[in-house]
Amino acid sequence: RKEVEQDPGPFNVPEGATVAFNCTYSNSASQSFFWYRQDCRKEPKLLMSVYSSGNEDGRFTAQLNRASQYISLLIRDSKLSDSATYLCVVSYYSGGYQKVTFGTGTKLQVIP
Amino acid sequence: GAVVSQHPSWVICKSGTSVKIECRSLDFQATTMFWYRQFPKQSLMLMATSNEGSKATYEQGVEKDKFLINHASLTLSTLTVTSAHPEDSSFYICSARVLGQGYNEQFFGPGTRLTVL
Repeated sequence: RKEVEQDPGPFNVPEGATVAFNCTYSNSASQSFFWYRQDCRKEPKLLMSVYSSGNEDGRFTAQLNRASQYISLLIRDSKLSDSATYLCVVSYYSGGYQKVTFGTGTKLQVIP
Repeated sequence: GAVVSQHPSWVICKSGTSVKIECRSLDFQATTMFWYRQFPKQSLMLMATSNEGSKATYEQGVEKDKFLINHASLTLSTLTVTSAHPEDSSFYICSARVLGQGYNEQFFGPGTRLTVL
């Protein structure tokens, strides 16, 4: 089983739609969780951290379910500019250093 | 946000040559930098974690003698791909970590596209 698993998609949604991505992780000792966005042939950029209590930033809502070991990202009112690959990132500390694992990403295509 | 630069942004070299990639944090000090590799249509794979002033910690399967990492200062880490071969062709990205009260964020460089002929 992969450490971090995501549905690769693509998710093709019309403008204005609501779309949700899930990401599961296998290491129960994982401590930090993030969603990154990566545009084609560009570096990833942090979209939001994911907190245990859940967090919202504008049209984006992230949630963490430790019991089931998954995190989710909800995008409301999708814009064309939201088209990108969304990477789930999980990290934990071991032996004094941070181990960071990226999911393979979920591709989102918002269509007019 | 914090800015991380990488140089060069792309490089083409012959098989057997060595290539050095620089990663700099421009407006902050980074005690920890990470080096990733991304093959087409795949996710980023962590290669190594680099702490300033100490030896890098390599992920399983990454040859430390082939991918030399030096983190001599709080703003500069270098990755040298020694005796590069075509299978080393990839997108190499570095990131620098910023730790603070309640947050832990990585800022990524723009990446270096390496093509080995």
